[in-house]
Amino acid sequence: ETGVTQTPRHLVMGMTNKKSLKCEQHLGHNAMYWYKQSAKKPLELMFVYNFKEQTENNSVPSRFSPECPNSSHLFLHLHTLQPEDSALYLCASSQDGQGARNEKLFFGSGTQLSVL
Amino acid sequence: DAKTTQPPSMDCAEGRAANLPCNHSTISGNEYVYWYRQIHSQGPQYIIHGLKNNETNEMASLIITEDRKSSTLILPHATLRDTAVYYCIVRVGTGGSYIPTFGRGTSLIVHP
Repeated sequence: ETGVTQTPRHLVMGMTNKKSLKCEQHLGHNAMYWYKQSAKKPLELMFVYNFKEQTENNSVPSRFSPECPNSSHLFLHLHTLQPEDSALYLCASSQDGQGARNEKLFFGSGTQLSVL
Repeated sequence: DAKTTQPPSMDCAEGRAANLPCNHSTISGNEYVYWYRQIHSQGPQYIIHGLKNNETNEMASLIITEDRKSSTLILPHATLRDTAVYYCIVRVGTGGSYIPTFGRGTSLIVHP
């Protein structure tokens, strides 16, 4: 148990569906991250939020829409996805994503997304 | 950006030490080396990190060369549950933020 909880654990959706991934951290951290991991590929950073403000958007298509209502919760809203978006989506948190060189990341177990 | 180079795969016998190397020849003086591991279909798990000195915790030891251009993660008594992909990363600074960037890592297989 890392203190970072992701739901759902698995998700199957059609290309016309709208769904949301949820991440919650119970560690009192101020920075939260979304990563994408496609099959046999390295983790790709998608978004970073620090103190609820988005600080990084790694050229992610607009069909992925993040939301961070508070420092403990992070959502990834999905709409009109493509089959190539099928991947493991991982959420992580750290104490403070700005300027702290010795921070550890704590990851959730991920949501395995399949787009049909 | 400081990048890391790791062998794509290694294997180790159960009960023996697993020594996983990492090259980071462009590392800056104030950048830390981190190690994570990822067991299949789970999120990466933090193992250890260091700046200059060797470090040890309950999971592993980290040996960093004096010139800081390479490091070795040591699992002293590998078990089957240590089979995972191990990532060596350097905290990369962009502007005022520090973003961990993961490469392909080393796939370690521990066999009986």
